[in-house]
Amino acid sequence: DIVMTQSPDSLAVSLGERATINCKSSQSVLYSSNNKNYLAWYQQKPGQPPKLLIYWASTRESGVPDRFSGSGSGTDFTLTISSLQAEDVAVYYCQQYYSSPSITFGQGTRLEIK
Amino acid sequence: EVQLVESGGHLVQPGGSLRLSCAASGFTFSSYAMHWVRQAPGKGLEYVSAISSNGGSTYYANSVKGRFTISKDNSKNTLFLQMGSLRAEDMAVYYCARAGSSGAFDFWGQGTMVTVSS
Repeated sequence: DIVMTQSPDSLAVSLGERATINCKSSQSVLYSSNNKNYLAWYQQKPGQPPKLLIYWASTRESGVPDRFSGSGSGTDFTLTISSLQAEDVAVYYCQQYYSSPSITFGQGTRLEIK
Repeated sequence: EVQLVESGGHLVQPGGSLRLSCAASGFTFSSYAMHWVRQAPGKGLEYVSAISSNGGSTYYANSVKGRFTISKDNSKNTLFLQMGSLRAEDMAVYYCARAGSSGAFDFWGQGTMVTVSS
């Protein structure tokens, strides 16, 4: 199985400041045939199911605010929130679907307001 | 509007069985692979099982292989998870999710809670 490791486990950022979450995969999730990284980011607020934010490592899902962006390729990826809003408090997960159906998630990063 | 509504979760004794359902609407259910993901209380997301769009191919995480069975009734737009030989570590909220065209999970249900306890 591909192991996904997120860092940090928790993060506190001031309102309006940048938040950065990292995700590392134990092997590349880049398909050379289409040059796409099979990496997604989800946001989960308390009592709610996860919500898809980013797929193909950097493509924003419809309706997701543009302060959310994804970057990286191969084994190293980053989710960036450019200007933290109060409603962004949540747990964030990365997910690889390169080896689908053997899909794996990162352990999650808890984002709070400083 | 895409909707996924899980049901069937409740308290069951260790060793018992349970059948979860996920009713889908708002999209052509027969065209999509579907998945089950679970989340133990206070823990992260754990991938459980997958089924292809026509139900012909299935996949299970090692933690549930041989105990859980996923199925899909495209005529009734419903996904199932038959759970057997339940253990304390199976206690979790179980979510069904749709894999979109990218392969990422673009829609999730609200989840159904399975409690395993004597």
